[in-house]
Amino acid sequence: AAGVIQSPRHLIKEKRETATLKCYPIPRHDTVYWYQQGPGQDPQFLISFYEKMQSDKGSIPDRFSAQQFSDYHSELNMSSLELGDSALYFCASSLTGWAPGETQYFGPGTRLLVL
Amino acid sequence: AQKVTQAQTEISVVEKEDVTLDCVYETRDTTYYLFWYKQPPSGELVFLIRRNSFDEQNEISGRYSWNFQISTSSFNFTLTASQVVDSAVYFCALSVLETSGSRLTFGEGTQLTVNP
Repeated sequence: AAGVIQSPRHLIKEKRETATLKCYPIPRHDTVYWYQQGPGQDPQFLISFYEKMQSDKGSIPDRFSAQQFSDYHSELNMSSLELGDSALYFCASSLTGWAPGETQYFGPGTRLLVL
Repeated sequence: AQKVTQAQTEISVVEKEDVTLDCVYETRDTTYYLFWYKQPPSGELVFLIRRNSFDEQNEISGRYSWNFQISTSSFNFTLTASQVVDSAVYFCALSVLETSGSRLTFGEGTQLTVNP
């Protein structure tokens, strides 16, 4: 079965640079979620989109922005990168965002290292 | 606010032993959803189970079983006849009924190590 696709899988950036992470949800899933997982920590919710509109916002820094496109893929844009942004970034998708409690299926993650 | 507590940071067992991972949650909502995810050393998050607050039935799936008790706000996970490949971090997560989304609130995770 098709899964969530994330690219790139690994990314190395310098401080103050920008990064763009991409997420392709499972086919027919209309909702995308972004999470950040620091080393040894649990995933923290950043932001979500349902039918191309932002549906929820968590602890996402102002330096980060995201959007969902007409084909339902999503991109997380990160600017002025800091050392503390080094983390594993997960994208997840669910069949629909209007029904609460839908199961979220996670992608393999993008491991970002900021030097 | 929602909170999930996994008091066991690390558990180590010998292969074939049974092990129970605890999960306690807090929410004021009467409608909520609980999940367990597995994160093996390779890093991906693998969905294991989803339960809602209106269905307190326990569930068994192969070597996995879950005990859901609303009275104690617990959703514990038992792995029977553990295997080395079961070594991973296991996360319990909570989602509540909201109009704006279904974000997951994760517990801190339990690192399970199964030794041969």
